[in-house]
Amino acid sequence: QKEVEQDPGPLSVPEGAIVSLNCTYSNSAFQYFMWYRQYSRKGPELLMYTYSSGNKEDGRFTAQVDKSSKYISLFIRDSQPSDSATYLCAMINTGTASKLTFGTGTRLQVTL
Amino acid sequence: NAGVTQTPKFRVLKTGQSMTLLCAQDMNHEYMYWYRQDPGMGLRLIHYSVGEGTTAKGEVPDGYNVSRLKKQNFLLGLESAAPSQTSVYFCASGSPLAKNIQYFGAGTRLSVL
Repeated sequence: QKEVEQDPGPLSVPEGAIVSLNCTYSNSAFQYFMWYRQYSRKGPELLMYTYSSGNKEDGRFTAQVDKSSKYISLFIRDSQPSDSATYLCAMINTGTASKLTFGTGTRLQVTL
Repeated sequence: NAGVTQTPKFRVLKTGQSMTLLCAQDMNHEYMYWYRQDPGMGLRLIHYSVGEGTTAKGEVPDGYNVSRLKKQNFLLGLESAAPSQTSVYFCASGSPLAKNIQYFGAGTRLSVL
């Protein structure tokens, strides 16, 4: 069983919809939680970063971490066609040279 | 500001050929990483380095070697390429002084025929 599980999608939503992307994990030592966005044929770019449990908001994006349930989420409000990309969750177990453990990514398509 | 630069962007090899992928970062990061990305598999760590002159194995190191002779450069070598090494390769750099965030290059698409 993988340490990080993520539904690969694809997920297709109409413009303006609220999008919910999720990951579950099994390693309770994960401390830092990130969401990366990857456009087709590009490298991943950091979208959101959170430490431990709680919520973090940045514009239309909200990252949520629930360590008790080992569950993280990314919400996108008022989704735009430019949000069409693959979203990767990633986690760090501190003390391991900051190695990231990634989910497989969820492909999102926002349609007009 | 270049960030993380990977060369080449594309390469086609025949089975058994060798090649080196170069990664350069200008952010003075201590840590550097090489990943491969395959459909349905996500990003998997090949090798990483926590400083100049040091390297360590990641999740899928077989068939690859690395070197970090300078802090800003991290080289990934394939001594005898196999079709199973057809993939997209990403380099990343990061620092524990910068929240452990990893910054990625644009990737190298490698096909081994």
